[in-house]
Parts: sequence; structure tokens; C-alpha cells
Amino acid sequence: QKEVEQDPGPLSVPEGAIVSLNCTYSNSAFQYFMWYRQYSRKGPELLMYTYSSGNKEDGRFTAQVDKSSKYISLFIRDSQPSDSATYLCAPLGGFQKLVFGTGTRLLVSP
Amino acid sequence: GAVVSQHPSRVICKSGTSVKIECRSLDFQATTMFWYRQFPKQSLMLMATSNEGSKATYEQGVEKDKFLINHASLTLSTLTVTSAHPEDSSFYICSVSPRRTGGEKLFFGSGTQLSVL
Repeated sequence: QKEVEQDPGPLSVPEGAIVSLNCTYSNSAFQYFMWYRQYSRKGPELLMYTYSSGNKEDGRFTAQVDKSSKYISLFIRDSQPSDSATYLCAPLGGFQKLVFGTGTRLLVSP
Repeated sequence: GAVVSQHPSRVICKSGTSVKIECRSLDFQATTMFWYRQFPKQSLMLMATSNEGSKATYEQGVEKDKFLINHASLTLSTLTVTSAHPEDSSFYICSVSPRRTGGEKLFFGSGTQLSVL
């Protein structure tokens, strides 16, 4: 079993839709949970992170963590074609090591 | 602007040659830098942790003699792929961690696409 599981997609939605991206993880010791956006052949860009369980909102993005079920979500409101990218969830393990999921490829059509 | 500069962005080399990739922290001193490898449609896999002034720590299964890491200053780490072979073709990415912060402040370079013929 992988430490972090993520549906690779692709997830195709029309512009303006609400997008839900999800991850599950197995290590209950994780406390920080990051979401990165990666465009093709570029380095990941940190979107936001949360600490422990709860919600965090930043503009059109909302990150949600449920530690009891080891479930992580990222919601994107009013999705735009420029949001088309691969979204990586990455809990933070020991020694500042990120544990990446495979990423979900999102396609937002105009 | 970019916080981390990674060069080159793309390199094509012949099998058996060595390739050096540079990762520079532009805005802050980085005591720790990380090197990742990403194969197509797969997640980023941590290869090694580079600590300034000391030997790098390699992840299980990563050959330290093949992937030489040098972290000579607080702003520069290099990864040298020695005697590269086609199976080493991959996307290599570095990340840096500013001093006195935790892993929630990791910044990534733009990546290097290595193609070994």
C-alpha cells in the first residue's frame, strides 16, 4: 500500500465548475498537509497547506483535512482553464520530507 | 520572482557521460536542499537530502556513487549523474528549505529534463 493514494485522473470539468480533488494517506503521524500544482514539465508550486484537521481557505481554493479518516481534499471554486494542471497532495513526513501522491490531472475546458 | 533557480532546464547526453544539475536558492540561505526524480505520470520520488557542509543522505535504493550531491554553500547544491544510461532519463527537481523553517516552506526549482541517448 502506498503511503499516499491519489486518483491520477484526468478529471475533466467545464469552466466555472466546482472541482474536488482528494487524497488518502496511511501514516497517522502526518501533521502538515500540502497541496502543490504542477504544470507540465515544471516544478511544483505550493498552493496551500493545512496543519492537522480542519479547513483552510485561500481565494478560490479550500483545503480540508480529516485526520480521523486520513482523507485530504482540495476544492476549487469557479474553475478556470488556467487551473488545468496536475495537483499533488503531499503530507510532510519526518526530516522535512514530503510524501507525494501521484497527482490528479485536471482539465478545465472553456 | 523565482525563489529557486535550477539549471539546465533540459539536457540531452550520450550514454556513459556525466551530467551536472545546479540548484540555487536566490532569496535565502538554505541549509537543506532536496533532490527528487519524477518519471512520466508518476509521483515525485525523493532521492536524497543535501545538507550544507556535510554528506548527503540518500533514500533507499538510490545509488550514492551514481548520483553525486554536493552542497558546498548555503545557496548552491549540485547533482551529478555519473555515467548516465537511458534508464536515468527522467525529470529531476530540487527543492530548498529556508533556515529556521519547517517543511511547510519548501520551494521547488523548475526542474531538469534529462534525456540519455
